[in-house]
Amino acid sequence: AQKVTQAQTEISVVEKEDVTLDCVYETRDTTYYLFWYKQPPSGELVFLIRRNSFDEQNEISGRYSWNFQKSTSSFNFTITASQVVDSAVYFCALSEYPGGFKTIFGAGTRLFVKA
Amino acid sequence: DADVTQTPRNRITKTGKRIMLECSQTKGHDRMYWYRQDPGLGLRLIYYSFDVKDINKGEISDGYSVSRQAQAKFSLSLESAIPNQTALYFCATSESGQGAYEQYFGPGTRLTVT
Repeated sequence: AQKVTQAQTEISVVEKEDVTLDCVYETRDTTYYLFWYKQPPSGELVFLIRRNSFDEQNEISGRYSWNFQKSTSSFNFTITASQVVDSAVYFCALSEYPGGFKTIFGAGTRLFVKA
Repeated sequence: DADVTQTPRNRITKTGKRIMLECSQTKGHDRMYWYRQDPGLGLRLIYYSFDVKDINKGEISDGYSVSRQAQAKFSLSLESAIPNQTALYFCATSESGQGAYEQYFGPGTRLTVT
């Protein structure tokens, strides 16, 4: 069965600090996809990144970067030089091929960035 | 206009009542999903549909039913609402193809069952 664990319930940092949000997943399948979504205080869910299981290259997008390591079943998300606008709940999610690509979300990590 | 819309945005209902939450999308996607969000539990999948004739149960389908009236419309029903169905409900859509794709979410419906 698929499972996504975000062990950090809440993280609080001061603006300009770097912060890493952890995501550990479980799957028995070789074909799967990983995602990160952001939910700001306004409540909408915003897609950040998608990665398939055959692509372990790390990705950087501005202040955001993602580290995908199949050996440890992790897909961690780092925000560099955090800003107050980064305050949100961040969700990691997993979709497996044999499951018809239904998506399972982690419980989320709430990030507070203080000015 | 928003690509994925949900109605109503807020609803208070009583135990035992039937309620329908509606979702419409203009993205032209075949895949649609219903989730509920509870504090500390993230989003849990209720039902998903990969086209008009394909509907599948998710993690927590008991007490819920769905209808895919058209490619653009996917409704969630609570036949007899109970207080532990109080939650924030999201509809989402995604592309179809040879993989899993990012989902586009509606603004959510806050449902309270008293």
